[in-house]
Amino acid sequence: AQSVTQPDIHITVSEGASLELRCNYSYGATPYLFWYVQSPGQGLQLLLKYFSGDTLVQGIKGFEAEFKRSQSSFNLRKPSVHWSDAAEYFCAVNDYKLSFGAGTTVTVRA
Amino acid sequence: DAGVTQSPTHLIKTRGQQVTLRCSPKSGHDTVSWYQQALGQGPQFIFQYYEEEERQRGNFPDRFSGHQFPNYSSELNVNALLLGDSALYLCASSLAARVDEQFFGPGTRLTVL
Repeated sequence: AQSVTQPDIHITVSEGASLELRCNYSYGATPYLFWYVQSPGQGLQLLLKYFSGDTLVQGIKGFEAEFKRSQSSFNLRKPSVHWSDAAEYFCAVNDYKLSFGAGTTVTVRA
Repeated sequence: DAGVTQSPTHLIKTRGQQVTLRCSPKSGHDTVSWYQQALGQGPQFIFQYYEEEERQRGNFPDRFSGHQFPNYSSELNVNALLLGDSALYLCASSLAARVDEQFFGPGTRLTVL
């Protein structure tokens, strides 16, 4: 069965610094991969998705992710973090349903 | 264009009771999926409805049941509530042909005492 693993439970980053969140997937075929963000008390918002083609994917809010088949990874990056980026981030893989990782909590310090 | 809406926002029940949560999909969408998100965890797939039928189901007991109406809205019913059912319940809608693109509602926070 398809699954994703997010190795980092919690990351703290300074405002203006770069951010990278890790995601490793397990899937036999070419996966459909997603990153979602969840602010406190909110639902999930799609940041970006990868289906095929170009391995560097651009998303909303200045985020990007790179698909690396050789490493079974789909890491999320942002060059310069804003205080509003503090949230929970989920990586997910899709078959007929979304299978989510446990999430990474991002704290932004001033 | 309204997105996915869910009601109620919050709900408090006691063990053994039954609860019904409601979801209205994004305009034009015909498929609804339900997820349970326990505190500190990622969402877990409960089931998916299309054409008023349960199409797929995750690893949840029969106490969890659902329904989809002709207007594509959906209900999630949970019987014999347990403390462990306390969670955020998320509804997601999509087109049947594009279940890879799901749009989420804000969720219903269920607390079981």
